[in-house]
Amino acid sequence: GAGVSQSPSNKVTEKGKDVELRCDPISGHTALYWYRQRLGQGLEFLIYFQGNSAPDKSGLPSDRFSAERTGESVSTLTIQRTQQEDSAVYLCASSLAGRTYNEQFFGPGTRLTVL
Amino acid sequence: QKEVEQNSGPLSVPEGAIASLNCTYSDRGSQSFFWYRQYSGKSPELIMSIYSNGDKEDGRFTAQLNKASQYVSLLIRDSQPSDSATYLCAVNLGGTSYGKLTFGQGTILTVHP
Repeated sequence: GAGVSQSPSNKVTEKGKDVELRCDPISGHTALYWYRQRLGQGLEFLIYFQGNSAPDKSGLPSDRFSAERTGESVSTLTIQRTQQEDSAVYLCASSLAGRTYNEQFFGPGTRLTVL
Repeated sequence: QKEVEQNSGPLSVPEGAIASLNCTYSDRGSQSFFWYRQYSGKSPELIMSIYSNGDKEDGRFTAQLNKASQYVSLLIRDSQPSDSATYLCAVNLGGTSYGKLTFGQGTILTVHP
């Protein structure tokens, strides 16, 4: 079956511009996660959606970052007024349900470069 | 102390040998543990999950969990050059933190012919 898809695969933008990154989870997966991976670094949790529950936004680094998800489908991560330190690979993952034991499967990521 | 720590490596083993990757975690309440493989320029790929103390085997991979020692490991038997990658240990704390995975920094493994 189809895995997690993300678009665009690469995004180059100028400092101060806004960007939108899209994630399409595996069909039937109710939980969706965003992580960030800076060059040579580990993965940082950003935000987590589970069904119609309020999202866990505890990992968002600043108020320039926001994310939305409509129902149990596509999610959009928006970064406003991008800064050079936002350059990273943004990874989306999904799981059957946002419970402790559920395995998360990652999409290919969006590589964001802020000039 | 970092929440999830891995031996940074790089770890180099000859083809056919056993590669041993280690991970420790700080939160005694952690409930589930995952190993991901990440090839250079690619996204993480789930290779093993483990929830109970003891060993779990899947093909050439064995995950070992010891909650008392807060330690999880991954053994790769009969290592192949195609196993060369960064291996990420991830921990789910459970409770109100369910859903969030905390990752270690990764161990770079090189399998040389």
